[in-house]
Amino acid sequence: NAGVTQTPKFQVLKTGQSMTLQCAQDMNHNSMYWYRQDPGMGLRLIYYSASEGTTDKGEVPNGYNVSRLNKREFSLRLESAAPSQTSVYFCASSEQEVSSELFFGEGSRLTVL
Amino acid sequence: GESVGLHLPTLSVQEGDNSIINCAYSNSASDYFIWYKQESGKGPQFIIDIRSNMDKRQGQRVTVLLNKTVKHLSLQIAATQPGDSAVYFCAETNGGAGNNRKLIWGLGTSLAVNP
Repeated sequence: NAGVTQTPKFQVLKTGQSMTLQCAQDMNHNSMYWYRQDPGMGLRLIYYSASEGTTDKGEVPNGYNVSRLNKREFSLRLESAAPSQTSVYFCASSEQEVSSELFFGEGSRLTVL
Repeated sequence: GESVGLHLPTLSVQEGDNSIINCAYSNSASDYFIWYKQESGKGPQFIIDIRSNMDKRQGQRVTVLLNKTVKHLSLQIAATQPGDSAVYFCAETNGGAGNNRKLIWGLGTSLAVNP
């Protein structure tokens, strides 16, 4: 059982380039999330999807877009990468949005030059 | 303002000792608290949670204590092992019991276990 799988694990971009981070979960969870983790900032929610077919902004959505492709997959897109988006990105899923623990992927380290 | 913080950014303990990791919160409306463990190079992993109607909850080798009077949360790890070395995060929700999208995360405490 793989849990939450993220790709790629590492990526270097130049300012202005675009890319998509992929996330897939095999636990039949309804809710999925994208976080970023920066030193001294803790985890911050970018976007989430409470259930298939819905997406909503989190705390720091600017510069990002998401797609809940199906129940398993939730992708995060950077349309025009900026150095401020250098971070470690984590995808997570939970059975429900409420009262349900989060299961995290191993992270994607993104550097924007 | 509302915040979830930590008393100690790093904690070093001897293998076999008990560890106590502390967390302060400022929102008295928070009703659900969680501890996550993050090992190097991995994503956070759920350890234990507690609701505001409880003072204490025990898991396997871990105990979470909640003191609502002083808005303080602690994670106790019994007989700390090298595998417990990680960063520990507390998190709270301030808008509904256990609502993941409203979680506020602390900055983390690094626990180092010395053999």
